[in-house]
Amino acid sequence: GENVEQHPSTLSVQEGDSAVIKCTYSDSASNYFPWYKQELGKRPQLIIDIRSNVGEKKDQRIAVTLNKTAKHFSLHITETQPEDSAVYFCAASEPPGGYNKLIFGAGTRLAVHP
Amino acid sequence: DSGVTQTPKHLITATGQRVTLRCSPRSGDLSVYWYQQSLDQGLQFLIQYYNGEERAKGNILERFSAQQFPDLHSELNLSSLELGDSALYFCASSPGSGGTDTQYFGPGTRLTVL
Repeated sequence: GENVEQHPSTLSVQEGDSAVIKCTYSDSASNYFPWYKQELGKRPQLIIDIRSNVGEKKDQRIAVTLNKTAKHFSLHITETQPEDSAVYFCAASEPPGGYNKLIFGAGTRLAVHP
Repeated sequence: DSGVTQTPKHLITATGQRVTLRCSPRSGDLSVYWYQQSLDQGLQFLIQYYNGEERAKGNILERFSAQQFPDLHSELNLSSLELGDSALYFCASSPGSGGTDTQYFGPGTRLTVL
């Protein structure tokens, strides 16, 4: 089955800097890659997602890039703010088969210091 | 607010007991997913139901079972509880069953087994 690795496990940046989180996946047939932000004790919230027919997607300060050949995808946050501090999870959907099983990375704890 | 509701918010019980967690999907969504989040295991997919039928299974223990009812709400039953079952249990929903559907998470149920 699909396996997702996420790096780094912790990331500390100064307010205004950029943050990059990287994930690799194992199954080349995976075709959907969401990113979730989770604050302590709260639900995971979708912040951006990308499907395999697209190489890059942007939404204001957040962007995701996908390299299907190398089987990796990355989250880029620019102009970070203290409210960006949270745990970020990448995920990959197991290859299509009439179901939708998300396999999550282990998470990255992002701390943005004022 | 994602539109996915879960009850109860917190549950404290003893080893060996049985509990039921409940989830109502977003209006119009036909798929319900269950995930377990513990400190050392991250977010683990348990099971997916689509329009009342089981669609995909993950690392769900035999002591755990789930179902989706005609009104599309779902219940996750956990029996013979062990200390290691203490975790946050999230439900998510999506419109269809396919592998590129966005999943929206509920607020979770925190289960503590003493």
